[in-house]
Amino acid sequence: EVQLVESGGGLVQPGRSLRLSCTASGFTFGDYAMSWVRQAPGKGLEWVGFIRSKAYGGTTEYAASVKGRFTISRDDSKSIAYLQMNSLKTEDTAVYYCTRDGDPIVVVVAATQRENYYYYYMDVWGKGTTVTVSS
Amino acid sequence: QSALTQPRSVSGSPGQSVTISCTGTSSDVGGYNYVSWYQQHPGKAPKLMIYDVSKRPSGVPDRFSGSKSGNTASLTISGLQAEDEADYYCCSYAGSYSYVVFGGGTKLTVL
Repeated sequence: EVQLVESGGGLVQPGRSLRLSCTASGFTFGDYAMSWVRQAPGKGLEWVGFIRSKAYGGTTEYAASVKGRFTISRDDSKSIAYLQMNSLKTEDTAVYYCTRDGDPIVVVVAATQRENYYYYYMDVWGKGTTVTVSS
Repeated sequence: QSALTQPRSVSGSPGQSVTISCTGTSSDVGGYNYVSWYQQHPGKAPKLMIYDVSKRPSGVPDRFSGSKSGNTASLTISGLQAEDEADYYCCSYAGSYSYVVFGGGTKLTVL
């Protein structure tokens, strides 16, 4: 069974850090890009960022609201994706979902003819872990 | 404020059809055929229902269909069933700067 299980959520004070983990099973983790999506209490979904598979560079992209504060990484040997959250703000309070990304969108950079890969749909979701930022 | 605009709520009776709209701009919905839809029941994780505007993942009933016209994407649910009552979110690729944008969500009530 394909499964994602998040862990590491909890109560943290503003300005502090927290690291979330996402343990995957039931599929070849290293073949897929992975994303994090969050949902503030009573609100809609917000994309946080994704990490490409090693085959596509293993690089990351982030939403403007978290860029410079959050870092996504992966350990393919353990089938785990991480979300390191620094300088947390009260508005980061949310349920954080780990997701497996679908097929990549291939974008060719005209100047270099280099291919970049982007992801926008998530075909597997974890149950989520709650992060509360409060003093 | 979400990047994509959805109606806050829609409703329909069992057996009827409902359509949920998702309006963006030429920088997201209108610029690419990369729109996905998610269903979320209360307290549960979202579930992918449609991707690439109109493709259904395996296991999703063919009562669910997607389409797009200009800057507006739509999710149509035909033959409404009680279990379809949930929140629905649209999502679009938004280019290599904004990447991914979601709609604010629509609550579907089955009367």
